Amino acid sequence: DGGITQSPKYLFRKEGQNVTLSCEQNLNHDAMYWYRQDPGQGLRLIYYSQIVNDFQKGDIAEGYSVSREKKESFPLTVTSAQKNPTAFYLCASSIAPGAGETQYFGPGTRLLVL
Amino acid sequence: AQSVTQPDIHITVSEGASLELRCNYSYGATPYLFWYVQSPGQGLQLLLKYFSGDTLVQGIKGFEAEFKRSQSSFNLRKPSVHWSDAAEYFCAVGLLNSGNTPLVFGKGTRLSVIA
Repeated sequence: DGGITQSPKYLFRKEGQNVTLSCEQNLNHDAMYWYRQDPGQGLRLIYYSQIVNDFQKGDIAEGYSVSREKKESFPLTVTSAQKNPTAFYLCASSIAPGAGETQYFGPGTRLLVL
Repeated sequence: AQSVTQPDIHITVSEGASLELRCNYSYGATPYLFWYVQSPGQGLQLLLKYFSGDTLVQGIKGFEAEFKRSQSSFNLRKPSVHWSDAAEYFCAVGLLNSGNTPLVFGKGTRLSVIA
């Protein structure tokens, strides 16, 4: 089945530690996205990638980093510079970049700070 | 500034009652419009979308939405709510002629369904 997978489902981070969230898609989509979701805040865009080896900052990129070395993979690293990382993280993809393209979402990863 | 507003943070309806969730946007031109649903602890699923043409759009799970240009609104409706509709609903907009700017999401409306 085609879709988007995110792992792990739950992730724990210690103070000062970098952690990486995985996002893989087998939909052959060009564009991929990372969102952060906090209660009452909706979805806020962290980074997006329109094509392999290219990515742009979203609204809340500080303290995060990404890479897009393969079309199907778009991992997100939460660095120690992100002081409040506890949130639900959603990965999405679309056939092509653009405002009219439907985004398809993965099941999410919940990050908790120990 | 361009924005998407969902005025209702939380709505409670009785099972079998009708539902309307509001969405307003502030853009100069007609945007692309989407409604997504999210069950607790899950990702988002597309309910329906509007690009052009007929302003009444049918979606999955018995939902529909109507685009009203004069009111800059894209409200989601369902004639009879089922307990399984309890979830969070997000409106999203995409700008025409904006290059490749991603969708902008509203803050969501949480729907509770009571017996």
